[in-house]
Amino acid sequence: GENVEQHPSTLSVQEGDSAVIKCTYSDSASNYFPWYKQELGKRPQLIIDIRSNVGEKKDQRIAVTLNKTAKHFSLHITETQPEDSAVYFCAASYSGGYQKVTFGTGTKLQVIP
Amino acid sequence: NAGVTQTPKFRILKIGQSMTLQCTQDMNHNYMYWYRQDPGMGLKLIYYSVGAGITDKGEVPNGYNVSRSTTEDFPLRLELAAPSQTSVYFCASSLRDRNTDTQYFGPGTRLTVL
Repeated sequence: GENVEQHPSTLSVQEGDSAVIKCTYSDSASNYFPWYKQELGKRPQLIIDIRSNVGEKKDQRIAVTLNKTAKHFSLHITETQPEDSAVYFCAASYSGGYQKVTFGTGTKLQVIP
Repeated sequence: NAGVTQTPKFRILKIGQSMTLQCTQDMNHNYMYWYRQDPGMGLKLIYYSVGAGITDKGEVPNGYNVSRSTTEDFPLRLELAAPSQTSVYFCASSLRDRNTDTQYFGPGTRLTVL
């Protein structure tokens, strides 16, 4: 089955700096890679996703890159703000099949004002 | 749309008791999932369903049961509750097709077993 590894487990950055979280996956059939943000005491919510036919996607201060050959994808947050502090989860799935979604173990991001 | 709703929000059980966590979605999603999240930890998949009448085990199914008789509802049954089942339980749903599989999570049920 699919295995998703996520690094780092914790990340502290100064406000205004950039943050990068990396994930690797094992199943080359996976074609959908979402990122979820979970604020303290809240539910996870999608912040950005990327499909295997795209190499990069941006949404304001957030971007995701995908390297299919190396089987890794990354979340980039620029100009970090205190409200970016949360736990971020990556995930991988094959949207054309019946396999379950596999989540990474999460990264706790702390933005220091 | 209400999205994904879960009841109850909080529950305290005694060891050996049973209960059902309710989950309903009104988005006509085909996939539904149950996760548990222990404090400071990630999401562990308990069970999932690809459609009404079809369910499958995730990583940590022991001690739980599910059923899916309708598209909308996916209840999770805990039999003989144990302290190890103390956790936050999230239900999620997704409309999986060729291009997407975004999961929409419910607000969670915080369960304590004493």
